[in-house]
Amino acid sequence: AQSVTQLDSHVSVSEGTPVLLRCNYSSSYSPSLFWYVQHPNKGLQLLLKYTSAATLVKGINGFEAEFKKSETSFHLTKPSAHMSDAAEYFCVVSVGGSQGNLIFGKGTKLSVKP
Amino acid sequence: SAVISQKPSRDICQRGTSLTIQCQVDSQVTMMFWYRQQPGQSLTLIATANQGSEATYESGFVIDKFPISRPNLTFSTLTVSNMSPEDSSIYLCSVEDGAYRGYGYTFGSGTRLTVV
Repeated sequence: AQSVTQLDSHVSVSEGTPVLLRCNYSSSYSPSLFWYVQHPNKGLQLLLKYTSAATLVKGINGFEAEFKKSETSFHLTKPSAHMSDAAEYFCVVSVGGSQGNLIFGKGTKLSVKP
Repeated sequence: SAVISQKPSRDICQRGTSLTIQCQVDSQVTMMFWYRQQPGQSLTLIATANQGSEATYESGFVIDKFPISRPNLTFSTLTVSNMSPEDSSIYLCSVEDGAYRGYGYTFGSGTRLTVV
């Protein structure tokens, strides 16, 4: 069965410092993995996706994630946090062969201190 | 990427009533998906809506409670029937993004429902 675990429910960083949001997955198939961001009272926005191409994926707003099969991880990073990065982040795995059946992690709330 | 217009954006409803949520997409899509996000929780898939056939519901969701219509390739509705306070959630529709077909999904901005 497919699953995704976000290891931290809340991460707090200072502006200008690196961001690390951790995600581990379990999948019987070669997974497609995504990171989505949800700002308060806004819809979900796709940050980046992994689909069996390059293992280091670059997304929008300076975020990137590295797919590590041996560790079944897909951690999201950013070198320098900005105040506007404060939001909820969801790691998502797509069930193999079932378009649209996305398994969402429980989310990580990122706070950025000035 | 696809653009989804979802409405209403929020509503406060009396228990026992029903609310219909609409999603309009700016391009034709084969499948549309409906999700629920309960307070403080992640998203859970309710059902998949194909044009011209009955929606496919996930475990724990039934058609009598969440009837779905899909009259054409750009539009779908989700009705939350006989509401109770436990139905207070954000409801979102989603489509497979044409720019990343098979690899990404676009979401509507959500409908925040409060049942009193």
